[in-house]
Amino acid sequence: QQQVKQSPQSLIVQKGGISIINCAYENTAFDYFPWYQQFPGKGPALLIAIRPDVSEKKEGRFTISFNKSAKQFSLHIMDSQPGDSATYFCAASKGASGTYKYIFGTGTRLKVLA
Amino acid sequence: DAGITQSPRHKVTETGTPVTLRCHQTENHRYMYWYRQDPGHGLRLIHYSYGVKDTDKGEVSDGYSVSRSKTEDFLLTLESATSSQTSVYFCAISERGVEAFFGQGTRLTVV
Repeated sequence: QQQVKQSPQSLIVQKGGISIINCAYENTAFDYFPWYQQFPGKGPALLIAIRPDVSEKKEGRFTISFNKSAKQFSLHIMDSQPGDSATYFCAASKGASGTYKYIFGTGTRLKVLA
Repeated sequence: DAGITQSPRHKVTETGTPVTLRCHQTENHRYMYWYRQDPGHGLRLIHYSYGVKDTDKGEVSDGYSVSRSKTEDFLLTLESATSSQTSVYFCAISERGVEAFFGQGTRLTVV
């Protein structure tokens, strides 16, 4: 019930293309869904996040689409660039209980070809 | 960058020895977390703290203990290190559980 399933495991996209990473969750108590970006040798860094009261959030080239009824959310990277090559993690947390524990997906390694 | 410092950054230790990893923050954030990162498993929560001396277990807590005697420090201890605990360990902090900031990680090798 606590699991967050992420796909694909790896993704190769041409420069200028759209990268799409999907996540699915089971626990309907989750109320915060962030995406993290991690470069080799670094810690994950928050990229963009969404709450379940909205269906989409856009920040620059990055968009989260959220489907509450399907318990799915996805990250879209428009006009993908070689500098976007990194590992991306989706996550979910439930703040209402006060614990604020983050459950992470297994990660997607994105490679953008120049 | 959020003020999070993990120490040591790299450590090699022998099986059966105790190991303590330290996370120090200068942000005065309430919540602190320890995660381990392994290929194919993503980031898994070991323990977390929601205040001084207030801690709780995560999904992979067996073999680990934590302590938080000050707001700024969160220690992770492996009482008797095993090879299965070879991993990269990340500390994270959060003020209201909304955004978590991660440290640079500690690469631990148990031989």
